[in-house]
Parts: sequence; C-alpha cells; structure tokens
Amino acid sequence: QTVVTQEPSFSVSPGGTVTLTCGLSSGSVSTSDYPSWYQQTPGQAPRTLIYSTRTRSSGVPDRFSGSILGNKAALTITGAQADDESDYYCVLYMGSGISVFGGGTKLTVL
Amino acid sequence: QVQLQESGPGLVKPSQTLSLTCTVSGGSINSGVYYWSWIRQPAGKGPECIGRIYASGSTSYNPSLKSRVIISIDTSRNQFSLSLSSMTAADTAMYYCARGDYASETFDIWGQGTMVTVSS
Repeated sequence: QTVVTQEPSFSVSPGGTVTLTCGLSSGSVSTSDYPSWYQQTPGQAPRTLIYSTRTRSSGVPDRFSGSILGNKAALTITGAQADDESDYYCVLYMGSGISVFGGGTKLTVL
Repeated sequence: QVQLQESGPGLVKPSQTLSLTCTVSGGSINSGVYYWSWIRQPAGKGPECIGRIYASGSTSYNPSLKSRVIISIDTSRNQFSLSLSSMTAADTAMYYCARGDYASETFDIWGQGTMVTVSS
C-alpha cells in the first residue's frame, strides 16, 4: 500500500520561511495526484489551505504557497506567524476515488 | 453557506456496528460536482479517509476498511451515512464528514466531527 510521507516535525522562527514536503513511499508526486494541504489546530477540524498543487483556498493568506519541488509536493510558509503553529497534512489522490492523507507535520513557531 | 453536521452515538461496544449520519444544510447534496466523504482521526494521529459517495449512489472505500464499511446517501433528507461493522478499540477516533470537490479532489467543507469511543 502506498504511503504518503511528511516530515514529523519542523521548527521555524517568527518571520522566517519554511517548506514542508509531501512524498510517496514509491514514486514521485505530480500535479496529477492533486496535492492538497490542510491546517489543523487542536480540537478543530482540518482547514483547507491549498488544493490542486498551488491554488489557495478562499481566505488563506498569500504567505502560504504550494508547489512541486523535485519529486514531492511542497507547502511553503513565507513570513511565519505565531498562529501558523499547527499540524499540517497533505492529501494525495490515488485514483479510483481513493485519497490518502500523509502522517502530518507538527510545525512549531519559536 | 453549506454546513455539515455529524450525528450518532459517542460510545459503541466492541463487535457492534457504528452508524453515523451527516446532515448537509445550506445546499443540496444532489450535486454532480461534489462527493461526500467520511474521514476519521484517532487521537494524536493523522486523518484517514474511510470512503466517499456520489449523489448517484456510487461509492469508493478505503481498501483497508472496505469489508466493514457501507456509505449510503438519502437525497430526500440531504443526508449521507456511515455504517462500520465489527468495531474494535482501534476504531476509536474522531469521525468527520466532509464535502469533496470532484474537479480538484479537495475536501473543501468539513463537519465539526463527532468522537466515537469503542468500549464495553
């Protein structure tokens, strides 16, 4: 079974830039996998940040951007703020109606 | 504004069947551009897709759960439902319903979630 991989944790300084990645246990991520990114704070449902690789969801600040970097999908936060401290999940579409979440990255802003 | 709300028991006994319903308000469930999904998240872990259903009634299930899952839709009530049989402690999780956008394969609207605990 294909596993979607993410860094378990990452740390960024306030105002800094951080790039989180989303890969596959076998193979490369492409736009055809419809990479999407979700932000989740404790006790809340996930919130959509980015879909279709790089499209920001309504209301999402432009400091969040999505891309393909090498063989992975990437979420970049430019000018990180304290309230960006959250768990971030990517989702890849595997076809046949199956979407798979990554294990998530816990981002610390300090 | 479309909203989703899960309902169902918070406690299920081992071996029993979990039944959850998601009520969609502010929009029609009978749409060709959206699908309707169930997603769960054990405490401290990442979410896991359980499956999805289209307004036509067509379904797709996570292969690891397929033998125990049935997702159904009631367009007259604007609801869709999850049935998960043979529950064990490993099924203890927050269960979310979500709307999926067919064109972008994105879960764009989520319910608030309902916590389900499996315990005798």
